[in-house]
Amino acid sequence: NAGVTQTPKFRVLKTGQSMTLLCAQDMNHEYMYWYRQDPGMGLRLIHYSVGEGTTAKGEVPDGYNVSRLKKQNFLLGLESAAPSQTSVYFCASSPIGGANTEAFFGQGTRLTVV
Amino acid sequence: QQQVKQSPQSLIVQKGGISIINCAYENTAFDYFPWYQQFPGKGPALLIAIRPDVSEKKEGRFTISFNKSAKQFSLHIMDSQPGDSATYFCAATTDSSNTGKLIFGQGTTLQVKP
Repeated sequence: NAGVTQTPKFRVLKTGQSMTLLCAQDMNHEYMYWYRQDPGMGLRLIHYSVGEGTTAKGEVPDGYNVSRLKKQNFLLGLESAAPSQTSVYFCASSPIGGANTEAFFGQGTRLTVV
Repeated sequence: QQQVKQSPQSLIVQKGGISIINCAYENTAFDYFPWYQQFPGKGPALLIAIRPDVSEKKEGRFTISFNKSAKQFSLHIMDSQPGDSATYFCAATTDSSNTGKLIFGQGTTLQVKP
């Protein structure tokens, strides 16, 4: 039972480099999310998707792009990494979008931008 | 602007004691309030949740108390155990958006001493 799988688990980038974080879920969930976790800030929503082919901005979308070409995958891209993007990134999925639903999280990707 | 404010930032409790974590929210449109538990190196996982039409919900040693008029809710962990040592996040969302977007509090790191 894989659930939500994030790749890679750790990455160090130099300022200005680009990278893509991959999230894959095997639960056939419609909704997927990318959050970042920073000390003292909790988790903040970067982008989300309510279904295959859709994406929308969250609280902190600047500097990130996303794509959901397949229902099971949600990609988060950093075009030109900045030190302010040093964080732990979590992908989550949920079966429905309304309240009273559970979000299932991956194990996170720790990204350091130097 | 932090829509969900959580306190304390950290908490140390002796084994068998009661752990209490508080949250306050601003948006009266929120209608679902989950708590997530996160162990080191793992993603958050749903612990317990409440709707504003009830004042209390209990699941085992975990209880949510909800005060709609004060726009506050809290998590009580009775008979705290070392295995409860984790970071706890309160969150809020609204059914009306049908997106499942979660607004998280800042998080509380709980340490239960043996």
